[in-house]
Amino acid sequence: GDSVTQMEGPVTLSEEAFLTINCTYTATGYPSLFWYVQYPGEGLQLLLKATKADDKGSNKGFEATYRKETTSFHLEKGSVQVSDSAVYFCALRTNAGGTSYGKLTFGQGTILTVHP
Amino acid sequence: GAVVSQHPSWVICKSGTSVKIECRSLDFQATTMFWYRQFPKQSLMLMATSNEGSKATYEQGVEKDKFLINHASLTLSTLTVTSAHPEDSSFYICSARDWGQGNTEAFFGQGTRLTVV
Repeated sequence: GDSVTQMEGPVTLSEEAFLTINCTYTATGYPSLFWYVQYPGEGLQLLLKATKADDKGSNKGFEATYRKETTSFHLEKGSVQVSDSAVYFCALRTNAGGTSYGKLTFGQGTILTVHP
Repeated sequence: GAVVSQHPSWVICKSGTSVKIECRSLDFQATTMFWYRQFPKQSLMLMATSNEGSKATYEQGVEKDKFLINHASLTLSTLTVTSAHPEDSSFYICSARDWGQGNTEAFFGQGTRLTVV
């Protein structure tokens, strides 16, 4: 079945440091890939997405490139801020049909803490 | 973006009682909603897919008689945890697809923290 593996956390960085959170996946077909962010006490928010190989998703300074050859979708940011402290989830969605069309498979989440 | 509202945000109930959680799409119609469960420091696990006007599709290992899902309208799905026990304590999150957005994005509710004592 489909699966997503994220680097284990927690990740602790100083403000303005470079961030990488690794994500690899296993899926049949050609999935769409997502990064979601969950701030304390809140639900998930879509951070960025990519729907086909070599696409780059970007938002709020975060980037991730859909690499089919390495089945990866690593999240990067050049300079993190304290406000980026949250839990980050990598996810995939297979685009096959059926009654569960549209369901997401999540990685285990990575806790990011950024210190001033 | 589209808004999905969950209610309540948190609930404490006694063991053996039932709890209902509502998930509403506020500004779009959602023929399909998804219910997830999140354990502390773990990922979201899909429990079931809720389709408007038909029975929900449950993931393997999820008890359909314990987690009752009703999707009676295009904007509302409910999850009822029946005869709750402490091991049901968890964070429950729903999501809905806005089909009008070209099937590319799911929107999540803020989640419901259930504590069974």
